[in-house]
Amino acid sequence: GENVEQHPSTLSVQEGDSAVIKCTYSDSASNYFPWYKQELGKRPQLIIDIRSNVGEKKDQRIAVTLNKTAKHFSLHITETQPEDSAVYFCAARKGGSYIPTFGRGTSLIVHP
Amino acid sequence: ETGVTQTPRHLVMGMTNKKSLKCEQHLGHNAMYWYKQSAKKPLELMFVYSLEERVENNSVPSRFSPECPNSSHLFLHLHTLQPEDSALYLCASSQGPGTTNEKLFFGSGTQLSVL
Repeated sequence: GENVEQHPSTLSVQEGDSAVIKCTYSDSASNYFPWYKQELGKRPQLIIDIRSNVGEKKDQRIAVTLNKTAKHFSLHITETQPEDSAVYFCAARKGGSYIPTFGRGTSLIVHP
Repeated sequence: ETGVTQTPRHLVMGMTNKKSLKCEQHLGHNAMYWYKQSAKKPLELMFVYSLEERVENNSVPSRFSPECPNSSHLFLHLHTLQPEDSALYLCASSQGPGTTNEKLFFGSGTQLSVL
C-alpha cells in the first residue's frame, strides 16, 4: 500500500520567515495530494491540494509543489504569522480510491 | 461548521460500558470515514463506507463496530474498551475521487477517555 513520509515533525520559525514541509510517497499511482491544517483543539481542514497533472499551485501565502518523478511534494508558507501555528498533515491518494494516506504531521510554531 | 456533525463532543466511559458515537453529514457526500487520532500519532483510518465499498483497517480491534444505515449517518459502537483506546475520534465525509469535493470534511471529533 501507499506510504507517506513527512518531515520535519516539528518546525519552529520566527514571524515573517518562510516555512517548508516536505512529504514523500511510495505509490506512483497516487494522483491527488491534499494538505490539512489542524489548529489546537480543532478539526483538520484542507488548506490546499494539488493533482498530479500540475507541478505547482499557489493560494496567497501558501504554495504546494509536486515532483512526480521523485515522488515528493512540499508545502511552502511565506511571511509566516502566529496564526499559522498548527499541525499540518500531508496526504496522498491513489486514483479511483476513496482513501488518502496521511503523513505523521508537522507541528509548526511561529514565534512573534 | 463544515456540515459534518459529531456527537457527543466528549465521552468518559468505563471499560465495561457500551456506548456509540454518532456522525451526520449534510453535504450530500457519498463516503464517510472514521479516523482515530492519538497524541503523537498520525491520523489512523479505522473504517470507510462509500457507495462502492466498505473498507476496514484490519488492525482495528473488534471492540469497535461501525454502522452506516445510509449515506448521511455513521455510527461507531464501542464495547469493552481499553484505556489505550482513549483518543480523539474524527468522522469525515467526501464526495469521492475525481470530483470537485473530493477533499475530506472533518467533524469536530469526540474526545474519548476510557477509565
